[in-house]
This record gives sequence, C-alpha cells and structure tokens, in this order.
Amino acid sequence: AQTVTQSQPEMSVQEAETVTLSCTYDTSESDYYLFWYKQPPSRQMILVIRQEAYKQQNATENRFSVNFQKAAKSFSLKISDSQLGDAAMYFCAYSNRDDKIIFGKGTRLHILP
Amino acid sequence: DSGVTQTPKHLITATGQRVTLRCSPRSGDLSVYWYQQSLDQGLQFLIHYYNGEERAKGNILERFSAQQFPDLHSELNLSSLELGDSALYFCASNPSGVGTQYFGPGTRLLVL
Repeated sequence: AQTVTQSQPEMSVQEAETVTLSCTYDTSESDYYLFWYKQPPSRQMILVIRQEAYKQQNATENRFSVNFQKAAKSFSLKISDSQLGDAAMYFCAYSNRDDKIIFGKGTRLHILP
Repeated sequence: DSGVTQTPKHLITATGQRVTLRCSPRSGDLSVYWYQQSLDQGLQFLIHYYNGEERAKGNILERFSAQQFPDLHSELNLSSLELGDSALYFCASNPSGVGTQYFGPGTRLLVL
C-alpha cells in the first residue's frame, strides 16, 4: 500500500526567509502524481503545487517549488520569501492515475514577523 | 474559490441521528470524492464516484453511504451517528477521475 510520511509536525520560519518542508512516500507504481496542499485556519484545502512522476523537471509556482527525487521517493516543498499568509498546515499527498489521494499527516508552518 | 460547493457548512446533531451532506462538483467534472478529516485519523478517503457509478471505496463505515445523481451532485449519508463521527467532511472533484482534485470548503459535523 502507498504511504506518505511528513516527518516535521511543525516548523517556523522568519518572514521573508526560505523554508523547506520534507515529504517521503512509498509506492511500487511508476506513474503517479504528487501534490502539496495548504490548509489555512479557514480549513479550506488549497492546491499549492503538483508534480507528475514522469516529468523530471521540478514544478514551480511563483514562490513555491519542489525538489522531486523519484529514486529516493522524496518530494520536498520550498517556500521562498515567506509571507504571513503562508502560515497554514501543509499536506503532502500522493495519487495513482485513477485513484484516491493519500495524504501525509501534515506540517504546521508558522511565520514569524 | 475552487468551484466545488458543499452544504451545509456546519451541522450539529445528536448521537443516533442521520444526516445528509451535499456536494456540487465544478462545472463539467464527472468525478466526486469524499474525504473525512478528524483529529486522530487525519485526512482519509471515503469513496469515489464517476458519472454516477461508484469507482472506489476507502475507509468508509457501513453506516455511511453515498450516491451521485444524474446532475452529478453527490450526497453522503451518515446514519446511527456516534461521537467519533465528528469531523470535517470534504468533497472534491475533477473532470475524469485522474490527477488533481479540487476541494470544496467542507462540512463541519459535530455529534453531541
């Protein structure tokens, strides 16, 4: 069975600094998707970034980028120039091509002014 | 705003009762997924419907059932409610059952 592990329950970063959230996953599939979702205090689940496993190039979305290491089954999220609005719970997630999303337990990110 | 709507936003009920949660997917999306987010279990997949047919089941209790109607909206029915069913229930949708899922705002259920 596929699993997603986020080993950092909480992290803090100074405003305007860079922070990296870690995620590892386990699967025997070769074709899959990886996601980072953000859940602010409103509890809405917001897609931050997505990576398709067959793509070697790391995905980027403005200040958000990933480091996808397929062989190591690692998928970290880098947030540059952290802003107060980035404070949230971040979930790493995995999905087969035609299946449910499996979520990690989340990392709570605090932004220090 | 993801385009997925869920009603009601909040629901307070008593143990033993039955409730229905409703989800309208984004326009054109054929797939609807239901997830439960509780403090102790995290985010867990419950069930997936594609164009009216059940596609996959996750950790869904027998007391829970769902369906997707011809207009593609979906309902999650929770019966014989227990205190432990208190959670945030999310609906998500996507066009084809593959890839990114777009989440609704959730229904917060409190069972007293």
